[in-house]
Amino acid sequence: GAGVSQSPRYKVAKRGQDVALRCDPISGHVSLFWYQQALGQGPEFLTYFQNEAQLDKSGLPSDRFFAERPEGSVSTLKIQRTQQEDSAVYLCASSLLGFEQYFGPGTRLTVT
Amino acid sequence: GDSVTQMEGPVTLSEEAFLTINCTYTATGYPSLFWYVQYPGEGLQLLLKATKADDKGSNKGFEATYRKETTSFHLEKGSVQVSDSAVYFCARHPLKTSYDKVIFGPGTSLSVIP
Repeated sequence: GAGVSQSPRYKVAKRGQDVALRCDPISGHVSLFWYQQALGQGPEFLTYFQNEAQLDKSGLPSDRFFAERPEGSVSTLKIQRTQQEDSAVYLCASSLLGFEQYFGPGTRLTVT
Repeated sequence: GDSVTQMEGPVTLSEEAFLTINCTYTATGYPSLFWYVQYPGEGLQLLLKATKADDKGSNKGFEATYRKETTSFHLEKGSVQVSDSAVYFCARHPLKTSYDKVIFGPGTSLSVIP
């Protein structure tokens, strides 16, 4: 079946613009994670959903970052008033509870 | 806090050479440990895992043993191939959470030359 998909794959935003990044998890996966991967670094946890409930948003770097998963399937990560330090690859992963996480290809965000 | 440390790269090896990538973790307990791999242009994939002390994870010729005495989970392969060129991430679950977020190390880039 299809894996985790993310769109867009690449996004260039001017500083101050808002962006929205989409994640389509594997059908039936309860858990959904967002990670941020800066260049040359390992991914860092941003937020976690169990179905539509956002159970942990401790990794969101500022209140400019907002994530939602209103129907327990597709998730959107929104970044308001983008800054240069937001440039990174944003990874989405999904899993059945307690099982392996499957990662999407990521969205590479460049803020100019 | 919960973290993993892994050897810095990049690592360059000739084909058929022996590979070791060191990884250590900080913990007062026994977290699940993982190695993930990121091939060029592809997403992260789970390579292997171990969920308790003395477990050995293995996949595609790679192995890692969970050693509580040294808080380590070193990745090894006896004979690397060009197709093993990728970035390898040591990772763990945190303690004291009821769900399975992953804490990653900084990654080690491996290049295998013919």
